[in-house]
Amino acid sequence: DVKVTQSSRYLVKRTGEKVFLECVQDMDHENMFWYRQDPGLGLRLIYFSYDVKMKEKGDIPEGYSVSREKKERFSLILESASTNQTSMYLCASSLVRGEDRAPLHFGNGTRLTVT
Amino acid sequence: AQTVTQSQPEMSVQEAETVTLSCTYDTSESDYYLFWYKQPPSRQMILVIRQEAYKQQNATENRFSVNFQKAAKSFSLKISDSQLGDAAMYFCAYRRYNNNDMRFGAGTRLTVKP
Repeated sequence: DVKVTQSSRYLVKRTGEKVFLECVQDMDHENMFWYRQDPGLGLRLIYFSYDVKMKEKGDIPEGYSVSREKKERFSLILESASTNQTSMYLCASSLVRGEDRAPLHFGNGTRLTVT
Repeated sequence: AQTVTQSQPEMSVQEAETVTLSCTYDTSESDYYLFWYKQPPSRQMILVIRQEAYKQQNATENRFSVNFQKAAKSFSLKISDSQLGDAAMYFCAYRRYNNNDMRFGAGTRLTVKP
């Protein structure tokens, strides 16, 4: 089974802090994603990466950046956290090729509160 | 842009009964995938069922089946013999065939009454 691990289940940060959310997958997936989940809005894509050091903006990249220095690790960075970034953050990964390339495999989520 | 609409924010079903969750999507593509994901209170998103758009036959996974109407751009999920463990948020999702991006609906919260 694919395992996607997010380093923190809950985080509480102060406004203006720099925040790092870490995600690691163990199945050699090329694609990795960061989504934000808010009630009534579903999941919205922040950034994704299809290879080491490669990244693409999703629908809501403002206020976020990402880093992918190694294939298995994809970090989401909040340069200066704001209260409107209080949310659930979900990391996911997938293959690029093959029969099983379509589904995303998700981590357990990080619930971030910015005060 | 592709959009996914789940018009039922909440649904409830009696244990052992059948419930259908609705999903519509908007796309101009002909090749794509559709998914239903389940998110229980543990927050782990679990793939319930997937459908390839080129397949006319509706996908089935045990008690879960879909009604895929390509022309109507409709993709509903039927849960038969509902169990207490089916209580969760259910998300419908769309992914274009050769695209990395997956689009999600707003979700439907399913309650199962004993």
